[in-house]
Amino acid sequence: EAGVAQSPRYKIIEKRQSVAFWCNPISGHATLYWYQQILGQGPKLLIQFQNNGVVDDSQLPKDRFSAERLKGVDSTLKIQPAKLEDSAVYLCASSTGEGNEQFFGPGTRLTVL
Amino acid sequence: AQSVTQPDIHITVSEGASLELRCNYSYGATPYLFWYVQSPGQGLQLLLKYFSGDTLVQGIKGFEAEFKRSQSSFNLRKPSVHWSDAAEYFCAVGARGATNKLIFGTGTLLAVQP
Repeated sequence: EAGVAQSPRYKIIEKRQSVAFWCNPISGHATLYWYQQILGQGPKLLIQFQNNGVVDDSQLPKDRFSAERLKGVDSTLKIQPAKLEDSAVYLCASSTGEGNEQFFGPGTRLTVL
Repeated sequence: AQSVTQPDIHITVSEGASLELRCNYSYGATPYLFWYVQSPGQGLQLLLKYFSGDTLVQGIKGFEAEFKRSQSSFNLRKPSVHWSDAAEYFCAVGARGATNKLIFGTGTLLAVQP
């Protein structure tokens, strides 16, 4: 079974530029999550989708971050404009539903200069 | 609100020694509890999980964890550590309900001495 795919693996941009990350979950997983992991911290949930609807985006900085999952499969997370404090690893995860294991992708390491 | 505390930021053990990583949680009811491991440059891999029932949970790679409701703890243990266990370990609590949201601790970095 293929795992969660993410691209790119690494991205370096300057502040005020925009960037987008892509995630393809495990086939058949209805729930998709985006987490932000700052160096030295645990992952923090940014947004959760159930199929193509948003379940929780309470910690998403909506003035600069956006995410979509238009067809209920793959998803894109965008930052515009980026700030220095956005430097982090962005992890995508998917699961089949409540209480079930979340499977994580390898992450995208973003460096904002 | 949910929260997770991992009091040990960094632990060093000798290969073959036993290991215990501490995790304390705060949650209004019985939570879902997880331990994940993260190797450098990798995503998180699930070691084990507690949903209900037997409070001693067995996981992969010889790890186990015990849920103690009275102490709000879910400590991870391994009787004999291997050099390949060097990684960062995260405890997480999951909310019961539609969101299935995970709250992670800050992690414990494990180093293994030969």
